[in-house]
Amino acid sequence: KAGVTQTPRYLIKTRGQQVTLSCSPISGHRSVSWYQQTPGQGLQFLFEYFSETQRNKGNFPGRFSGRQFSNSRSEMNVSTLELGDSALYLCASSPGLAEANTGELFFGEGSRLTVL
Amino acid sequence: QQPVQSPQAVILREGEDAVINCSSSKALYSVHWYRQKHGEAPVFLMILLKGGEQKGHEKISASFNEKKQQSSLYLTASQLSYSGTYFCGTDNAGNMLTFGGGTRLMVKP
Repeated sequence: KAGVTQTPRYLIKTRGQQVTLSCSPISGHRSVSWYQQTPGQGLQFLFEYFSETQRNKGNFPGRFSGRQFSNSRSEMNVSTLELGDSALYLCASSPGLAEANTGELFFGEGSRLTVL
Repeated sequence: QQPVQSPQAVILREGEDAVINCSSSKALYSVHWYRQKHGEAPVFLMILLKGGEQKGHEKISASFNEKKQQSSLYLTASQLSYSGTYFCGTDNAGNMLTFGGGTRLMVKP
């Protein structure tokens, strides 16, 4: 069974640009969560999608957005990039029960974004 | 709100034991533990649901005290392969996991 695939793995952008990251979950998984990982802050929750609907959102500015497609693939977008957005962005999928998502998360290897 | 993990870092010799703690200011529905090795994705270790149950995974076990809103991860007779950063994730029954800042564990020969 293929794992969670994130693309691109590495990218460099400059301040003010925008970026789109992609995540393909494990086949059959309907929930996709996004996390930002930085050395000082650990894993910060961005948002979670289930069946194309955003079910939860963390405390990030509106520059961070996401969406999920009918095949459960998800994208996240960061507009007007700032230096502080440099981080590893991790995507995680799970089967995602309709009532609660307390199951195991399967993480991808992440997309490392550097903003210059 | 982010759970608090302690200690932030620990260095062990092979065969020694360690305890990692995770505390939350909110009532918890469940606690999740993950381990991330350098340059790799976080990997699931175990989930503890409210009810005070204790779970084990090889020589790694954990407890969950829902009244104190705390969980502890116990690593017994540590091995070199246990090195990595351990994260606890807390679920307040809101369909999302909030992770602590992580505990870096280094096991030396």
